[in-house]
Amino acid sequence: GIQVEQSPPDLILQEGANSTLRCNFSDSVNNLQWFHQNPWGQLINLFYIPSGTKQNGRLSATTVATERYSLLYISSSQTTDSGVYFCAVWGDYKLSFGAGTTVTVRA
Amino acid sequence: DGGITQSPKYLFRKEGQNVTLSCEQNLNHDAMYWYRQDPGQGLRLIYYSQIVNDFQKGDIAEGYSVSREKKESFPLTVTSAQKNPTAFYLCASSRDRAGEQYFGPGTRLTVT
Repeated sequence: GIQVEQSPPDLILQEGANSTLRCNFSDSVNNLQWFHQNPWGQLINLFYIPSGTKQNGRLSATTVATERYSLLYISSSQTTDSGVYFCAVWGDYKLSFGAGTTVTVRA
Repeated sequence: DGGITQSPKYLFRKEGQNVTLSCEQNLNHDAMYWYRQDPGQGLRLIYYSQIVNDFQKGDIAEGYSVSREKKESFPLTVTSAQKNPTAFYLCASSRDRAGEQYFGPGTRLTVT
């Protein structure tokens, strides 16, 4: 199956800082999603981005499918950005998840 | 409101008992999925269904069973054969296979 690696595993930010999360995958994929898991466990859809760049408020994502990676940018971080960020890629018959990046934003 | 509902939010069972987790969606999606999440880990696929009356095993189907009798509903039964059933269970749906997946709020199952 497709391997998905996320880095860094943990990230501690001061409120207002910018950060970049990375997702590498081992094979060609048909789609890629970024999620934010809040403290209650709910997975929130951030981006559906098989290729190219998208922006949503302070968040943006870029996927370079030919080089098998995606980046999630968080700008001007807020405490509400804390949580676990997952990258997931569609390949074979399923969505394969990375282990996540745990982000802690301190006030 | 369109969305995915899961019930209950928390479930406690004794070892040896079967338990059924509910998942309902009103998004008119064809495909539905069940995932399991253990602490500090990503999600792993248990079962998926692309259409009514059809479902397929995922990576960790042993000890679980599902049914898909209606488009809106995809219940998951955790049987007594599942060796480590305590986990967080998430249901998802998508318009079609490989489409963007949306998740329900999850059920935390504790078996003692």
